[in-house]
Amino acid sequence: KNQVEQSPQSLIILEGKNCTLQCNYTVSPFSNLRWYKQDTGRGPVSLTIMTFSENTKSNGRYTATLDADTKQSSLHITASQLSDSASYICVVVEYGNKLVFGAGTILRVKS
Amino acid sequence: DAGVIQSPRHEVTEMGQEVTLRCKPISGHDYLFWYRQTMMRGLELLIYFNNNVPIDDSGMPEDRFSAKMPNASFSTLKIQPSEPRDSAVYFCASSLGTAPLYGYTFGSGTRLTVV
Repeated sequence: KNQVEQSPQSLIILEGKNCTLQCNYTVSPFSNLRWYKQDTGRGPVSLTIMTFSENTKSNGRYTATLDADTKQSSLHITASQLSDSASYICVVVEYGNKLVFGAGTILRVKS
Repeated sequence: DAGVIQSPRHEVTEMGQEVTLRCKPISGHDYLFWYRQTMMRGLELLIYFNNNVPIDDSGMPEDRFSAKMPNASFSTLKIQPSEPRDSAVYFCASSLGTAPLYGYTFGSGTRLTVV
């Protein structure tokens, strides 16, 4: 069964610190991998989209990496801000456009 | 662009009642998706449409759930009769095509509580 597993389940960090969220997947064949940010009470918002040939993609203070050989991705957040507090969801897209969602990592940034 | 618009934002209903959730996709988008999100199961795809035609409804949990897209600017998800286990946040999303570089745009969701 194609799965997407994220770690940690939740994370608390101090404002200004960096953090890295992990995503391991078994989805195959694989079209692209996406990271979404979901604020409380809102829908998910796309942060990055990477095809299998891309190793890294940045969006401001967010940098996603992808290792298609080991089927691992990470999302690195630099100089965290209070507004980064949210759930971060890793989504792997199969060929045929079926999305497989991770359970998400809940990040809380404290002042 | 106002994005994907869902209504209502919150719905509380009694078990056995009919519930209708509404979605207006982004103008010009040709794909529309309905998702359900719970703490236990995360985000689950229920059904999606392409050019108003249902393509895959394998995620619809049972016959109590139905979805329609009468035109390119409107879709409904109906639950009849509703049950407490249907309580969740229901998201609608739309996209232009399904090519890798196109992301989905999600609405803000409808939080459904069935008591």
